[in-house]
Amino acid sequence: QSALTQPPSASGSPGQSVTISCTGTSSDVGGYSYVSWYRQYPGKAPKLIIYEVSKRSSGVPDRFSGSKFGNTASLTVSGLQAEDEADYHCSSYAGSNDVVFGGGTKLTVL
Amino acid sequence: QLQLQESGPGLVKPSETLSLTCAVSGASIRINSYYWGWVRQPPGKGLEWIGSIYYSGSTYYNPPLRSRVTISVDTSKNQFSLKMSSVTAADMAVYFCARHSSAATGILFEYWGQGIMVTVSS
Repeated sequence: QSALTQPPSASGSPGQSVTISCTGTSSDVGGYSYVSWYRQYPGKAPKLIIYEVSKRSSGVPDRFSGSKFGNTASLTVSGLQAEDEADYHCSSYAGSNDVVFGGGTKLTVL
Repeated sequence: QLQLQESGPGLVKPSETLSLTCAVSGASIRINSYYWGWVRQPPGKGLEWIGSIYYSGSTYYNPPLRSRVTISVDTSKNQFSLKMSSVTAADMAVYFCARHSSAATGILFEYWGQGIMVTVSS
């Protein structure tokens, strides 16, 4: 199976909103409501922040929101803060106990 | 507090077998409804699921890697292991062990080890 497609980079100024896309196929993103997003700081392990397309993990501020339309999922970060600068990875269940990740997006807060 | 810790050689020669172990502490590996998996990340790239195991020994592998990967569990030591044969430069990556939920909840990786960098070089 192929990795999900994410833009390599995204950026925004403090206080602005930025949206990161994650495109798959009808066999993964489009076929299940099991899209997740992970945040990863340099040299650290990823951390789950969004699951089941739009549910926030415990402790994740409501500035983070997720959505999906067809084969594309999106992560929106509103009210950008310096601490949001990190790599963001999407993942999707792909059936038969299979999971696929995206290539990751580096979010820069200008 | 659940903790996972990877260990193993940080350098493997091409064509040889990569062997890593993940020690689990703070909880039993014999927990229902959760799986223990391996995820890797080549330098500067995205994450790739390698495979997972249930404490009973049931395994699931990423299809492109299935022929080279074996994951096993040792419940007496509360740890699980990864073996990947015939490694090449393309296998050079940070290898993470993690605990994830079942497919019924979409396979969510909720606990991760700190990761171990594996270099493939002669």
